[in-house]
Formats: sequence, structure tokens, C-alpha cells
Amino acid sequence: DGGITQSPKYLFRKEGQNVTLSCEQNLNHDAMYWYRQDPGQGLRLIYYSQIVNDFQKGDIAEGYSVSREKKESFPLTVTSAQKNPTAFYLCASRGGGVNEQFFGPGTRLTVL
Amino acid sequence: AQSVTQLGSHVSVSEGALVLLRCNYSSSVPPYLFWYVQYPNQGLQLLLKYTSAATLVKGINGFEAEFKKSETSFHLTKPSAHMSDAAEYFCAVSERSSGSARQLTFGSGTQLTVLP
Repeated sequence: DGGITQSPKYLFRKEGQNVTLSCEQNLNHDAMYWYRQDPGQGLRLIYYSQIVNDFQKGDIAEGYSVSREKKESFPLTVTSAQKNPTAFYLCASRGGGVNEQFFGPGTRLTVL
Repeated sequence: AQSVTQLGSHVSVSEGALVLLRCNYSSSVPPYLFWYVQYPNQGLQLLLKYTSAATLVKGINGFEAEFKKSETSFHLTKPSAHMSDAAEYFCAVSERSSGSARQLTFGSGTQLTVLP
């Protein structure tokens, strides 16, 4: 079945540690996106990539980094520079000629 | 810049009653519009989308939405609520220009509660 997978589903991190969230898709989509979701604030765009080896900052990129070495994969690193990283993180992808984005199941990150 | 306003962060309806979730958008040109649903601790699922064909759009699970350009609205409705409709609903907008990244701008969400 085609879809988007995110791992792990739950992640705990100590303050000062970097952590990487995985996002993989087998939909052959060119574009991929990372969002952060906080209660009552909807989803906010962190980074997006329209093609392999290229990515752009979204509205809240500070404290995050990404890479896009393969079409199927778009990992997100939450660095120690992110002051309030506890949130639900959602990855999405979009294929050419299609307007909607398809979402993965999310990763809940908690900083202890 | 685009923006989306969802009126009412919490809406409660009785089972079998009409569901109406409100969404207004701001955009310099007619955008693409979407409604997504999210169940607890899950990703978002597309309910329906408006991409400039018919202004009345039908989606999954009996939901529909009407694009009203004069009111800059895209309200979501369902004639008869079911307990399984309890979830959070997000309205989103994106550019329609070719070559754009089609970034989605989301509203803050509406939590729908269905009362027995």
C-alpha cells in the first residue's frame, strides 16, 4: 500500500540533545513538507522540499534542519537551538498535478 | 498573504443534528481550499477540496462544502451528525499558481463534539 510513514510515533528527548524524526513516502511524490502542531494553533510549516537536494524554510524554521537526499525521504532534525520543541510533528507529501497534501501519522516529541 | 479563520474553536451538536463548521479565507486571488479531519494522535485526512470546478463540493463521510467567493467562505456541513464525526477539523488554503510550492495555510481548527 502506498503511503507516508513517520517514526517513531512517540519520542522523548532530554534538553540539549538533537533528535531526528523520520519521514518516508512510497507515493513517488516530488514535494514533501514538515509541520508542527500545537494545541489551538493549527499546523505551522517548518520546511518544505519540492525536489531532491533542494529545500526551503517555512514560517518557523529556526532550531530545525532537514535534508532531501532521496525522493522518498525527508528527515527533520530538531536541534538544541529549538527552545520549545515539545509538539506533534506531521510530515506530508504532494504529487505533481495534484493539489492536496497527504499526511503521515505524526510523531509526538516530548522534551524532558 | 493568505490566511484562514475558523470561527468557533469548539462546536457541539447532538447526534442526528446538522453540522456546520465555518471557514473564511483571505487571498488576493481565488485559492484552492481544503477541509481535513484529524482524530486524536493521528495525521490529517482529506475530507474534500475546492479547485475551481463546482462551487458545491462533496466529500467523504457525507460532508460537503460550498465555495462562496462573495463571502470569502468555505463552510463545511453535514446534514446529520454521527458519533464517529467527533474529531478536529481544519480548513486550509493554498495558492493556485503553477510552479508554486502549494504551501498550505491552516486555520486553527475546530473541535467537533457529538452528544448522544
